[in-house]
Amino acid sequence: GAVVSQHPSWVICKSGTSVKIECRSLDFQATTMFWYRQFPKQSLMLMATSNEGSKATYEQGVEKDKFLINHASLTLSTLTVTSAHPEDSSFYICSARAGTANTGELFFGEGSRLTVL
Amino acid sequence: AQKVTQAQTEISVVEKEDVTLDCVYETRDTTYYLFWYKQPPSGELVFLIRRNSFDEQNEISGRYSWNFQKSTSSFNFTITASQVVDSAVYFCASSGGYQKVTFGIGTKLQVIP
Repeated sequence: GAVVSQHPSWVICKSGTSVKIECRSLDFQATTMFWYRQFPKQSLMLMATSNEGSKATYEQGVEKDKFLINHASLTLSTLTVTSAHPEDSSFYICSARAGTANTGELFFGEGSRLTVL
Repeated sequence: AQKVTQAQTEISVVEKEDVTLDCVYETRDTTYYLFWYKQPPSGELVFLIRRNSFDEQNEISGRYSWNFQKSTSSFNFTITASQVVDSAVYFCASSGGYQKVTFGIGTKLQVIP
């Protein structure tokens, strides 16, 4: 089946540094990928929709200058947390939809756990 | 906009018991999709099922079954003869005319041996 891979799985960084998380669709092309954030014991909250070749669409309350999203190819989207702070510590999950219609199945990456010291 | 309510935040059952996880959704879309995902302690999300709004047939997959009722806007999930490996957080989700998916808060299921 379709696989979405995220890298890194775990990352620890110092406050003020930037961290890049990659999301790859391994065996299908994804024109649209989604980035979610999950705080401990909470649900997944959509941060932004990443569209290949165009600017990402951010959800209300998500700072686009802090969470930079780049979807440079049909198989790769990246999320960069700029000037990370401890409150950015979270579990970040990406997903990609196989196909272009809303009927396509969503595949999720393994998630990336960010800890900011 | 989609809204998904999972009223049960935590459930504990003894192994081999049946358990039903409730999900109520709200939508203004005539076409929409409903999902269930499992998130084990390791964190990854495991896709379980997707139903579209035009298909109200219930579905059974092994020990898992789903009851979709548009009249009550519910999409409940039943695990029969629960096992310890079923322990996880289960998310109900919906997707309307747009591609983004809205998740419920999740139900943490603990199956006690």
